[in-house]
Amino acid sequence: EVQLVQSGAEMKKPGESLRISCKGSGYTFITYWIGWVRQMPGKGLEWMGIIYPGDSKTRYSPSFQGQVTISVDKSISTAYLQWGSLKASDTAMYYCARTATNWFDSWGQGTLVTVSS
Amino acid sequence: EVVMTQSPATLSVSPGERATLSCRASQSVSINLAWYQQKPGRAPRPLIYGASARATGIPDRFSGSGSGTEFTLTISSLQSEDFAVYYCQQYNNWPLTFGQGTKVEIE
Repeated sequence: EVQLVQSGAEMKKPGESLRISCKGSGYTFITYWIGWVRQMPGKGLEWMGIIYPGDSKTRYSPSFQGQVTISVDKSISTAYLQWGSLKASDTAMYYCARTATNWFDSWGQGTLVTVSS
Repeated sequence: EVVMTQSPATLSVSPGERATLSCRASQSVSINLAWYQQKPGRAPRPLIYGASARATGIPDRFSGSGSGTEFTLTISSLQSEDFAVYYCQQYNNWPLTFGQGTKVEIE
């Protein structure tokens, strides 16, 4: 069974750094892209970026380029989304999702990030 | 960036009735269009890819159609578990983009 298991909810202060994770199992991790999707409270889905674990090739949405970093450790089948300096506007649910052809066929359960002073 | 526009924003339907949801792209995305269902507090669930192919385990009351810039998701006979928010997503161009969603609610 394909599974993407994300790290737990985080509560941070503005200016702090954060890395959240997404561990894949039940499939050959390096042969599928992993994407990240943001959902702000009460809002829709926004694609942030995507990484190919096989070679760490990465693409970002222009809206998120320079704001976050997507990385992967293929030795432990885990993708990451990180921030260097969080803002209150980063408060959202973040989902990772698997894709072979850029539609997402399996999703993680989501990680809620709350940024508040 | 390809802008995806869904209509209506909210659709009120009675159980057993048909629901028709629309998604329009600002430029052609061929058939590279997916639909997702999201229930409160849950991750999105893939329904349709390639504009009309059902994802694994999706019942046949869900169907997708369209190509180019106009797409439709039809739920032939709404069940109680189908009341949710539905999103379209194009994957023909970078960046990947989602529509703003259509909420299907009980009339």
